[in-house]
Amino acid sequence: EDQVTQSPEALRLQEGESSSLNCSYTVSGLRGLFWYRQDPGKGPEFLFTLYSAGEEKEKERLKATLTKKESFLHITAPKPEDSATYLCAVQANQAGTALIFGKGTTLSVSS
Amino acid sequence: NAGVTQTPKFRVLKTGQSMTLLCAQDMNHEYMYWYRQDPGMGLRLIHYSVGEGTTAKGEVPDGYNVSRLKKQNFLLGLESAAPSQTSVYFCASSPRGQGSHEQYFGPGTRLTVT
Repeated sequence: EDQVTQSPEALRLQEGESSSLNCSYTVSGLRGLFWYRQDPGKGPEFLFTLYSAGEEKEKERLKATLTKKESFLHITAPKPEDSATYLCAVQANQAGTALIFGKGTTLSVSS
Repeated sequence: NAGVTQTPKFRVLKTGQSMTLLCAQDMNHEYMYWYRQDPGMGLRLIHYSVGEGTTAKGEVPDGYNVSRLKKQNFLLGLESAAPSQTSVYFCASSPRGQGSHEQYFGPGTRLTVT
């Protein structure tokens, strides 16, 4: 069964304190792995797509990496405005266009 | 471009009532999706459509029906609402093409069934 597990469930950081969020996945052939950001009361906002092990993508203070079993979202010198829930999702080769989401990591950054 | 829009934003229903949620996208995307998001459960796919006139079941389709009469619209219907359908509903769309494509989400509809 295709599965996505995110850890930790919640993470509290001080402004400037770098850290990483983990997304472990089990899928029968990975077509793509996606990272989204979701602010309270809003829809998920697309951040990155990763396709193959070894791939990395960056956007401002965020960098996403991918291995054959997991993905990391590294947050460098976070600011309070980075506070949000970060969602990981996978698309399997045999699942058509459906995305399988993890439950998310809620990040709080205090100044 | 407005992207993906959803109507209504909030709704309260009584058990047994029916309603339709409307999703519209102006990005000319082929694929559209309906998800529900519940605390501790993450986003779960209800139904999806790979083109005008076609629909398919997702992970949690029971109690819902959908229609895609126009490419830009995807409707989600609840024929007889139940308290278990209290949730936040998100619509999403994505383009068709080779490989994997990100999905773009609407702002959500918060539904409460009493």
